[in-house]
Amino acid sequence: GAGVSQSPRYKVAKRGQDVALRCDPISGHVSLFWYQQALGQGPEFLTYFQNEAQLDKSGLPSDRFFAERPEGSVSTLKIQRTQQEDSAVYLCASSRYGLALKRGTGELFFGEGSRLTVL
Amino acid sequence: QQQVKQSPQSLIVQKGGISIINCAYENTAFDYFPWYQQFPGKGPALLIAIRPDVSEKKEGRFTISFNKSAKQFSLHIMDSQPGDSATYFCAASRESGGYQKVTFGTGTKLQVIP
Repeated sequence: GAGVSQSPRYKVAKRGQDVALRCDPISGHVSLFWYQQALGQGPEFLTYFQNEAQLDKSGLPSDRFFAERPEGSVSTLKIQRTQQEDSAVYLCASSRYGLALKRGTGELFFGEGSRLTVL
Repeated sequence: QQQVKQSPQSLIVQKGGISIINCAYENTAFDYFPWYQQFPGKGPALLIAIRPDVSEKKEGRFTISFNKSAKQFSLHIMDSQPGDSATYFCAASRESGGYQKVTFGTGTKLQVIP
């Protein structure tokens, strides 16, 4: 597609429910990132995929958060047993480059985000 | 820990004026400094970026000034327009495990009034 697509755009969950957020990156983009953006804050890194490999999951706040990208394209962020503090916008971004990076680059193309509200 | 500090949190500028947003970083491993612009309900989009071997970069009305010794950089928007009203994020990027890991500042909400 022309840009990064995320769904759903809005999700309301009751505390304790599981949610799944989908990201469809720009075709051919090797790198895929998930960020969490709290209200009035900057995006906070969650996890990074290079093709299907999850190379960095250091930003995932707890073991309730799980992400996958099984075929190296579409990615899903899953949050189990949601808590109120999980309420945020979850942003997905993709980038053309992978391991063979040209140093000093790294433009990220963001989707519009999935706004999660946990009641 | 906040690796990229951004100020001010909000900014009101009159049309035609200059908007200035400042950022500071601590980690000298950062090697790429982009600025992202975000409109309500949208994802951030790259506006302009600079490498640390350059002290200034200008693209149209947008200029980044970079001070490597002070570990500071700033965005200047000349002739600010109402259409520039958005939230601006500075960011810093470094190689981490074979990819560029981007860390964002907390954002500056800019309002340009007619």
